[in-house]
Amino acid sequence: GAVVSQHPSWVICKSGTSVKIECRSLDFQATTMFWYRQFPKQSLMLMATSNEGSKATYEQGVEKDKFLINHASLTLSTLTVTSAHPEDSSFYICSAHPLRGGDTGELFFGEGSRLTVL
Amino acid sequence: GQNIDQPTEMTATEGAIVQINCTYQTSGFNGLFWYQQHAGEAPTFLSYNVLDGLEEKGRFSSFLSRSKGYSYLLLKELQMKDSASYLCAAMDSNYQLIWGAGTKLIIKP
Repeated sequence: GAVVSQHPSWVICKSGTSVKIECRSLDFQATTMFWYRQFPKQSLMLMATSNEGSKATYEQGVEKDKFLINHASLTLSTLTVTSAHPEDSSFYICSAHPLRGGDTGELFFGEGSRLTVL
Repeated sequence: GQNIDQPTEMTATEGAIVQINCTYQTSGFNGLFWYQQHAGEAPTFLSYNVLDGLEEKGRFSSFLSRSKGYSYLLLKELQMKDSASYLCAAMDSNYQLIWGAGTKLIIKP
C-alpha cells in the first residue's frame, strides 16, 4: 500500500531554535499534503493544506510565519517550526492524498513527529 | 458550523461487541472516515463510507446514514489490542476533514 514517511520521529530542541519536519510520499505523487498537530488526549487539528508549487493554505489561528510550509515537489512537503517555544511542543502529523477524494477515500499518514521544546 | 460528535470514552469486555457512534454536520459531504489511533502513534485507516449502508471488513464494520448525519463503527470479538482511540472524521465539500475528538476505548479482560 501507499506509504508516507515522516522524519524525524522525535526531536528535542532549545527554545528559540527552528525545527524542520519532512513528509515524503514514497510510492505515489501527492499534489496535496496536510499538516496536523495533536495535543495529548485531543483530536487532530488541521494546521494547513500544502499544495505542490503554490502557497500553503493555513487554518484560522495558525501563524504562517511561524509554521513555514514548503511543498517543493510532488513527493515532499516540509514544515518548519521557527523560533520554537515550549508551547509548540506537540505531535505533528502529515498526511497525503494520492488523488483528490480518491477511490478508497483513504488518507495516508506519516508516522508523526513528536516535538519537545525545552 | 461544522461539527463532529462522538463519545469521549467507552469500556467493553474482551470478546464482546462494541458500537461507537458518530454524528456529523458539515458543509457538503464527501465521505465519513474511521481511524484507529494508539497512544503516541499516527492514526491508521479503518474505513470509508460515502454511501448509506453497512461496510464490513473483518471484525470491524462501519455504517452510514447520510440523511441522519450518523455513522457507527462496530467492533466484534474484541481483543486487548483494540484498546485505542477511535477517530471519526467527515470530509466536507472542499475535501477537508473535520475531525471528532476521538473515543477512547478501554478493553477489560
